[in-house]
Amino acid sequence: TQLLEQSPQFLSIQEGENLTVYCNSSSVFSSLQWYRQEPGEGPVLLVTVVTGGEVKKLKRLTFQFGDARKDSSLHITAAQPGDTGLYLCAGARDNYGQNFVFGPGTRLSVLP
Amino acid sequence: DTGVSQDPRHKITKRGQNVTFRCDPISEHNRLYWYRQTLGQGPEFLTYFQNEAQLEKSRLLSDRFSAERPKGSFSTLEIQRTEQGDSAMYLCASSFGLDGDEQYFGPGTRLTVT
Repeated sequence: TQLLEQSPQFLSIQEGENLTVYCNSSSVFSSLQWYRQEPGEGPVLLVTVVTGGEVKKLKRLTFQFGDARKDSSLHITAAQPGDTGLYLCAGARDNYGQNFVFGPGTRLSVLP
Repeated sequence: DTGVSQDPRHKITKRGQNVTFRCDPISEHNRLYWYRQTLGQGPEFLTYFQNEAQLEKSRLLSDRFSAERPKGSFSTLEIQRTEQGDSAMYLCASSFGLDGDEQYFGPGTRLTVT
C-alpha cells in the first residue's frame, strides 16, 4: 500500500501550458518535500513545506501544503521543455525526518 | 563540487557475486541515507546513519545487505550473493538532521545483475 499517491502518473503537455500535479495521503506528515529527477540521476530537492496551508513559490513553480498536512500540489506556470522530468513528493512521518516515504512520481514531458 | 558523490556510477555483475558501493556525503551533514529505486517507482528507504550509528533499517534490507559508516563520514553498502532482483538504482542522500530534514541526493549507482 502506497502511503503517498501521486497523480497523474504521466503528463505530456505543450510548451507554455500550465499544469498541476498532486500528492495525496491518508497520513499526516510533519513536512513534505518535492524533488525533480532526470533519467540516470538522483532526485534534486525543489522545496520543503512544513506548515499546513503553506504556499511557496519558486519562479514558475507554486507548491501548496494542505491544511491537514496530508496532501500537496505543485503548479507549474508556462511550462518549458527544461521542466521535463520525474516529480517526486516525499513525506516525513516525524519531526526528525526519519524514514522519508516517497510517492511513485509524476513523469512530466513538456514538448517544444 | 561539494555535493553528495557516489561510486561507481554503474556496476554490472553476475548473479552470486558481491558488490560494494561508496557514498561520500556533504561534509557538514551528520545524517546519511541509502535508498533503492526501481524503474517507474520512487526511492524506497533502506537504512540511515546518524554520524557512525546505524539507527534504522528497512525490512527491505535482507541479511545479504550490509551498510557501514565507520568514521561518520563516507558510507559503504555491500550486497552479498547478488540476485537479479537486486538490479536497481542505489541512491545515497545526506542531511543536517534538523526539523524538515532536507535530504540531498547523490547521482546514484545503477546496478545490473545478469
